[in-house]
Amino acid sequence: DVKVTQSSRYLVKRTGEKVFLECVQDMDHENMFWYRQDPGLGLRLIYFSYDVKMKEKGDIPEGYSVSREKKERFSLILESASTNQTSMYLCASREPGSNTEAFFGQGTRLTVV
Amino acid sequence: AQKVTQAQTEISVVEKEDVTLDCVYETRDTTYYLFWYKQPPSGELVFLIRRNSFDEQNEISGRYSWNFQKSTSSFNFTITASQVVDSAVYFCALVKGSYIPTFGRGTSLIVHP
Repeated sequence: DVKVTQSSRYLVKRTGEKVFLECVQDMDHENMFWYRQDPGLGLRLIYFSYDVKMKEKGDIPEGYSVSREKKERFSLILESASTNQTSMYLCASREPGSNTEAFFGQGTRLTVV
Repeated sequence: AQKVTQAQTEISVVEKEDVTLDCVYETRDTTYYLFWYKQPPSGELVFLIRRNSFDEQNEISGRYSWNFQKSTSSFNFTITASQVVDSAVYFCALVKGSYIPTFGRGTSLIVHP
């Protein structure tokens, strides 16, 4: 069974903290993505990675950074968490190509207080 | 630029009703893929179907059916005889050359017993 695993389902952090959200996939996929999901706004792409050590900004990268040191792991970093980063964060992976589906993790609901 | 519009934010039906979820897309490319995903309350998006731009055949899978019409740039999803377990958020997505999925904002379907 293919799997994308996010390290936490629920997370509560304080304003100003540095936050790490981890995502691991076991399918040897080259492409990995981080989205945030907010009511009425759907899925918005934060960052994506084509391969190890490669990263590209998505639509809303401000306040975030990423790390991909190994193929299976893609980390999202909130350098200094703010309350407007309270959201559901979804990680996904897929093989390159326009015809391949994405596999998603279960999501991390982050609350910044 | 490409765009996916799911105009229905929320649909509420009673069990056994048929329901259609609309998806309209914009792209200048002639080659692309369209996808539908389901996000149940557990949070993980699950792939339902993919369709390439050259295949306008409709597809039926059990109670689910999909109607792709290139002339109207639509890829609509119909659930026949809806059930409570169909309650979820449904996302339509478009993938073309950049290989980065573009998602619609999602339609929340609530099926009442």
